Amino acid sequence: GAVVSQHPSRVICKSGTSVKIECRSLDFQATTMFWYRQFPKQSLMLMATSNEGSKATYEQGVEKDKFLINHASLTLSTLTVTSAHPEDSSFYICSAHTPGGARGYTFGSGTRLTVV
Amino acid sequence: GENVEQHPSTLSVQEGDSAVIKCTYSDSASNYFPWYKQELGKRPQLIIDIRSNVGEKKDQRIAVTLNKTAKHFSLHITETQPEDSAVYFCAASIVGYNTDKLIFGTGTRLQVFP
Repeated sequence: GAVVSQHPSRVICKSGTSVKIECRSLDFQATTMFWYRQFPKQSLMLMATSNEGSKATYEQGVEKDKFLINHASLTLSTLTVTSAHPEDSSFYICSAHTPGGARGYTFGSGTRLTVV
Repeated sequence: GENVEQHPSTLSVQEGDSAVIKCTYSDSASNYFPWYKQELGKRPQLIIDIRSNVGEKKDQRIAVTLNKTAKHFSLHITETQPEDSAVYFCAASIVGYNTDKLIFGTGTRLQVFP
């Protein structure tokens, strides 16, 4: 079945540094990657939608200069949290999708980010 | 944009009883409604989904019903087992258009007591 590999699974970084999270679709091409953030005991909140080869579309309230998204190929999308602060500590998860396709939404395994 | 509300936020049942979780959505154009089970620290797992051209779908102990007029959909789990304990999320999407954004409900923490 469809698999999305997400790395790293856990990362601890210092305040002010940047962290890059990668999602790769291993056996299919995903034209769209959704990025979600999930705080403890809360729902998955959509941060942005990225389509291969174009700029990401950010949801209201999400800073595009802080959360840099790159979707350079049909199999790789990255989220970079820049100048991380403790309040950015969260569970970040990607979801690959091909609009109109039959595969539905394939989720990565998530990245637990802790900013100290 | 789409908004999905989910109730209850917590649900405790005895093993063998049924559990029902309800969701409402705001965008009448939504046409795809999946349900996910998420265990702590894990990715959401699709357990069942329904498209807007059907009113009900069943898979063993799990069923989903959809009322398009009222913009409601519900998850029904029968003969619950302790391993059903997890957080369940409903979601809604407009599939087939440019965005296909999947918007999640607020989640229900289900506890099944032996």
